[in-house]
Amino acid sequence: NAGVTQTPKFQVLKTGQSMTLQCAQDMNHEYMSWYRQDPGMGLRLIHYSVGAGITDQGEVPNGYNVSRSTTEDFPLRLLSAAPSQTSVYFCASSYQGSGANVLTFGAGSRLTVL
Amino acid sequence: ILNVEQSPQSLHVQEGDSTNFTCSFPSSNFYALHWYRWETAKSPEALFVMTLNGDEKKKGRISATLNTKEGYSYLYIKGSQPEDSATYLCAFVYGGYQKVTFGTGTKLQVIP
Repeated sequence: NAGVTQTPKFQVLKTGQSMTLQCAQDMNHEYMSWYRQDPGMGLRLIHYSVGAGITDQGEVPNGYNVSRSTTEDFPLRLLSAAPSQTSVYFCASSYQGSGANVLTFGAGSRLTVL
Repeated sequence: ILNVEQSPQSLHVQEGDSTNFTCSFPSSNFYALHWYRWETAKSPEALFVMTLNGDEKKKGRISATLNTKEGYSYLYIKGSQPEDSATYLCAFVYGGYQKVTFGTGTKLQVIP
């Protein structure tokens, strides 16, 4: 049981490049979400999904796209990377049957945009 | 954007000391309040899930209380140990269960 798997762990991009951060979970969780973590800011919600085909914006969605074609996968796309997107990104999922949306986190992906 | 505040930002205590942290959150649209423990180079892990006003949870030497009417939760650690060193995050769940806003965390260092 792998839990929540994020790839890549580290990535360096140049301004304007695009990339996708992958997130997969094998726990059959309905809810998946992406956060970014910046010094002094805590974890901020970028996008979330309550099931396949359903996504919505969080606190800081600008510059990011998501889709949810399967229950297992929730990729985060940066279409034109900017230095302000340098951050550590965490994917998290939860099973709504447990109530209260308790999150299981991936190991994080550190992105640097030059 | 909701305001979830944690205090203090950081804390250094001696081994054996007891300590507590505060999480303040909006008193409306409450669904749940979580506490997570985040060790360096790892991912946050859930400590407590609190859903009812007056909830009290306990796990070993760590306990938490919840007051939804006034919008705060306390986390207590009794007899701190070096392995308790971590950042403790609180998370306010609202919008049904769908949105989660984290505080900036309290970084605890327990000195042997």
